[in-house]
Amino acid sequence: DTEVTQTPKHLVMGMTNKKSLKCEQHMGHRAMYWYKQKAKKPPELMFVYSYEKLSINESVPSRFSPECPNSSLLNLHLHALQPEDSALYLCASSQLAGGTGELFFGEGSRLTVL
Amino acid sequence: GQNIDQPTEMTATEGAIVQINCTYQTSGFNGLFWYQQHAGEAPTFLSYNVLDGLEEKGRFSSFLSRSKGYSYLLLKELQMKDSGSYLCAVLSGGYQKVTFGIGTKLQVIP
Repeated sequence: DTEVTQTPKHLVMGMTNKKSLKCEQHMGHRAMYWYKQKAKKPPELMFVYSYEKLSINESVPSRFSPECPNSSLLNLHLHALQPEDSALYLCASSQLAGGTGELFFGEGSRLTVL
Repeated sequence: GQNIDQPTEMTATEGAIVQINCTYQTSGFNGLFWYQQHAGEAPTFLSYNVLDGLEEKGRFSSFLSRSKGYSYLLLKELQMKDSGSYLCAVLSGGYQKVTFGIGTKLQVIP
C-alpha cells in the first residue's frame, strides 16, 4: 500500500463552522505533513509531525490546529477560517530513517470558505 | 531562510529535449527533489539528488551541484503528457522540511 488517503475531497464551510480534514497512510512512515496550495502557487509547508510529535509549525494561524492521534493518522482541525484560507490542503508522509525522504502526497482536500 | 528560483514558464516541442534549471540558497541542505504536478492533482515524485552529479531515470535525468546551489531536470523525447508544472524542492533540517520552489510550467507543443 503506497497510498496517502485524504478525506473529504471537497469541503465548503462558513467562517463560523468547525470542520476537520483527515489523512491516513499505512506505509509505516513516521513523518507526516500538511501543505497548503493556492492556485498557480507551489505547496507551502504548514506543519510537520515526526514520531507523532509536532516538529515544525511554520507560523500557521491558530485557527488551524493539527493533531496526530497515531502513526497512521493526521488531522487538521479548522475553526473560524477566513475566505483567504480557501485552498487545496495536501497531506504527505515520508520515511524518517533510511530512504530518501521522498514525500508521498495524498490527492488533497479542496477547501472553500464562504 | 530559503530561496529557491526556477523559471516560471517554458515551452518545448514534442520529441525534443528540455532542461529546467533551479538555483537555491539554504542552510542545512540535505537533498533536492523534483516533482511533477498536473493542474488540480497532487505532486508526484520524479527524482532525488543528495550528492553532486547526474541521476538518470528513463527519459528524466536530474543533476546537482551542491557547491553552486544548482540543479537541473532534463526531459528527453518530450511527450504531450509531459506538459505540467515541475517543482524543485529542497530538503533541509533532517528528513523533515521540504520547501518547494514556485514551479516551472512546461508546455509541450506539437
